[in-house]
Amino acid sequence: KAGVTQTPRYLIKTRGQQVTLSCSPISGHRSVSWYQQTPGQGLQFLFEYFSETQRNKGNFPGRFSGRQFSNSRSEMNVSTLELGDSALYLCASSPSDRAETQYFGPGTRLLVL
Amino acid sequence: QKEVEQDPGPLSVPEGAIVSLNCTYSNSAFQYFMWYRQYSRKGPELLMYTYSSGNKEDGRFTAQVDKSSKYISLFIRDSQPSDSATYLCAMSANTNAGKSTFGDGTTLTVKP
Repeated sequence: KAGVTQTPRYLIKTRGQQVTLSCSPISGHRSVSWYQQTPGQGLQFLFEYFSETQRNKGNFPGRFSGRQFSNSRSEMNVSTLELGDSALYLCASSPSDRAETQYFGPGTRLLVL
Repeated sequence: QKEVEQDPGPLSVPEGAIVSLNCTYSNSAFQYFMWYRQYSRKGPELLMYTYSSGNKEDGRFTAQVDKSSKYISLFIRDSQPSDSATYLCAMSANTNAGKSTFGDGTTLTVKP
């Protein structure tokens, strides 16, 4: 079974721009969660989608948004990028939303200049 | 102060050593405890998942939870160079993945 894939793997943007990241979950998984990982803040939950509906949301500003399509693929968008948005963005998929069934992708490393 | 504090490391041990990785937490509502392993340029991979206090063993790995002390540990026996990675603890008040709070990680290097 193919794992979680994320595209692109690396991205460089400048302040004020917007960015869209993509995540393809494991086949059959309906839950997709997004996380931000930085050296200073560690791994922080952004939001979770299940069957195209956002079920949970972390404590991030409205500049961070996401969506899920009918095939369970998900996109995350960050508008008006700030330097502090530089991070590894991880996507995880699960057949449910339980932590023990969650599989992470390799992440997209975003650098904001 | 963070809800979850993890020994910062980095940790360097010789092959075959017993490794102890530790986290403390402040939220007494946490009942589910996880350890993830993250190799360089990869996403985290779930190693151990435990509920409430006690020990859980899986091969060379043992997870220990002491809720009275709000302290969890991961022990790695007979450590191997392939165990070199960053280890993240995570905990949650329920089973929902999105509700987990993660530690900052401890980077372990096992030298041959």
